[in-house]
Amino acid sequence: DAKTTQPTSMDCAEGRAANLPCNHSTISGNEYVYWYRQIHSQGPQYIIHGLKNNETNEMASLIITEDRKSSTLILPHATLRDTAVYYCIVRVRPRLPIYNTDKLIFGTGTRLQVFP
Amino acid sequence: DTEVTQTPKHLVMGMTNKKSLKCEQHMGHRAMYWYKQKAKKPPELMFVYSYEKLSINESVPSRFSPECPNSSLLNLHLHALQPEDSALYLCASSPLGTGKNVLTFGAGSRLTVL
Repeated sequence: DAKTTQPTSMDCAEGRAANLPCNHSTISGNEYVYWYRQIHSQGPQYIIHGLKNNETNEMASLIITEDRKSSTLILPHATLRDTAVYYCIVRVRPRLPIYNTDKLIFGTGTRLQVFP
Repeated sequence: DTEVTQTPKHLVMGMTNKKSLKCEQHMGHRAMYWYKQKAKKPPELMFVYSYEKLSINESVPSRFSPECPNSSLLNLHLHALQPEDSALYLCASSPLGTGKNVLTFGAGSRLTVL
């Protein structure tokens, strides 16, 4: 699986957009980009994933560059509850998803601190 | 029900004890996972079960023994652990066959080995 590189930590003011970058320069054509976050003392939580196109859901937006070598997770209006470690993960979709599972390997992540 | 439930939340055990961690989900997911997380580190994959069969073992020492008695339950049996095995143990589940293998994690069981 392609390796990801993320900044160790970032700060964001409450109410502002938080833009979390991720580099995955060795990504292959069939590899998806997933984002999870882990709030202190909780299990990781799925946020969003994408392959080529930009994606948006109720939690966040995912912007993937045209060459797919990097992506940005955007939290449009950060709140104090968004303070967490954010993990960018590149994962190959199994050829036979009915049988094979995702082997989700976490990198070191970005610690996002939202301040008042 | 959209949760993964792990018990106990906290466990303290000696190096000669035998204990078990339990994980339960009722979302109909047919893949279940164990991860280990040390303080200030990312989660590390230990085991994956697919249709109640062990499909991935990330070279985990035999003192950790997983068991999947049915599609809703996942156990991790612990025996002769070392103090360095103290960590947060996370269980997760995901659907199979949908093409969207998003994992749902439990809150974890925090293990301390004395």
